[in-house]
Amino acid sequence: ETGVTQTPRHLVMGMTNKKSLKCEQHLGHNAMYWYKQSAKKPLELMFVYSLEERVENNSVPSRFSPECPNSSHLFLHLHTLQPEDSALYLCASSPTSGGATDTQYFGPGTRLTVL
Amino acid sequence: EDQVTQSPEALRLQEGESSSLNCSYTVSGLRGLFWYRQDPGKGPEFLFTLYSAGEEKEKERLKATLTKKESFLHITAPKPEDSATYLCAVARDNYGQNFVFGPGTRLSVLP
Repeated sequence: ETGVTQTPRHLVMGMTNKKSLKCEQHLGHNAMYWYKQSAKKPLELMFVYSLEERVENNSVPSRFSPECPNSSHLFLHLHTLQPEDSALYLCASSPTSGGATDTQYFGPGTRLTVL
Repeated sequence: EDQVTQSPEALRLQEGESSSLNCSYTVSGLRGLFWYRQDPGKGPEFLFTLYSAGEEKEKERLKATLTKKESFLHITAPKPEDSATYLCAVARDNYGQNFVFGPGTRLSVLP
């Protein structure tokens, strides 16, 4: 595997389900990100992790819970979602974070549909 | 409020018909501007980073330029495989890796 991978690629869940999205980066980067991409809207940054510590949380509802067990893996745990949470969820990584201006490299995304 | 806009929203070109996409930004302290290409149902693919006004970068049929208020992505003699949505994103002073993304320009190149 190379670059940034995400699983699953597609997910359909009911409003009462609990599921998790997984992201893995094979680039040796220290920072990882979750983004939400809805139709007709710009990418929205949800969470930033640097060296496994969360450094940013852009006022995301608590039904989204991130986890970063190490610098290569990132999870997004989902519970009691709403239909408006249906979107493409993108993971990205970069060499560093904080004060740097690093290029972010994206995974293929998980297309989430909440029924 | 920091803002990034892109125009046009959608663009249809004939194969070989050169054109430019625009990314205008209003931010407090530009640290870098990024161009990405995104195919339907896929993640954005990195194209260029520009750091200062006057800078230019080229890759195949694409050339990105930067001024103090905007960036252009010039597409020379496009091919159908250049069809995609092109996104720009801005990194700002004091915001680290919290980029502001534009809404994108959807490019269609017809054979």
